Amino acid sequence: GESVGLHLPTLSVQEGDNSIINCAYSNSASDYFIWYKQESGKGPQFIIDIRSNMDKRQGQRVTVLLNKTVKHLSLQIAATQPGDSAVYFCAESVFNDYKLSFGAGTTVTVRA
Amino acid sequence: NAGVTQTPKFRILKIGQSMTLQCAQDMNHNYMYWYRQDPGMGLKLIYYSVGAGITDKGEVPNGYNVSRSTTEDFPLRLELAAPSQTSVYFCASSLTGDEQYFGPGTRLTVT
Repeated sequence: GESVGLHLPTLSVQEGDNSIINCAYSNSASDYFIWYKQESGKGPQFIIDIRSNMDKRQGQRVTVLLNKTVKHLSLQIAATQPGDSAVYFCAESVFNDYKLSFGAGTTVTVRA
Repeated sequence: NAGVTQTPKFRILKIGQSMTLQCAQDMNHNYMYWYRQDPGMGLKLIYYSVGAGITDKGEVPNGYNVSRSTTEDFPLRLELAAPSQTSVYFCASSLTGDEQYFGPGTRLTVT
């Protein structure tokens, strides 16, 4: 079965608001986590990643939080824009495994 | 750099036909991957390679074959197409085995 899953399949956000996308993982051995954005008809695009020795990492308008105690990962998008409408996937891997395990994805729709 | 390129973009196959999906990367990445994505679902790993001459099965390898004779190319072969193989296929590559870069995908329909 899936080792990475998402709490909500869809998320509707008002333009300008902050978005929070959640992800649960079950493999306690996972030590690398990554978020991808997939726009309609395109391949997944890297957003941000984090290793298990960190609990927070920030990028441009995005922040990833990792809570290893409850095996939870979240992606925060600040000031959500129409171009943020897409499917967001989290994925995990174990050190030296060289493979990513993907969840089903959350569809984010930005309302104008 | 062109990144990861895939051909063709679209293909319709009849049941029992064969085809090869092409994937190439120009980033000198050792790691390459093939995924399939069914509608509304995440990506499932079909095969992967950690370097030229080395391939291994992923989560859903049945009905597919791969080869990796060069660092740049990682073709995926479907020998006897079945309707269950209707999907979008993505190729990806990675320098370290962590962050993966994806191609634009091949949309395959088997009827």
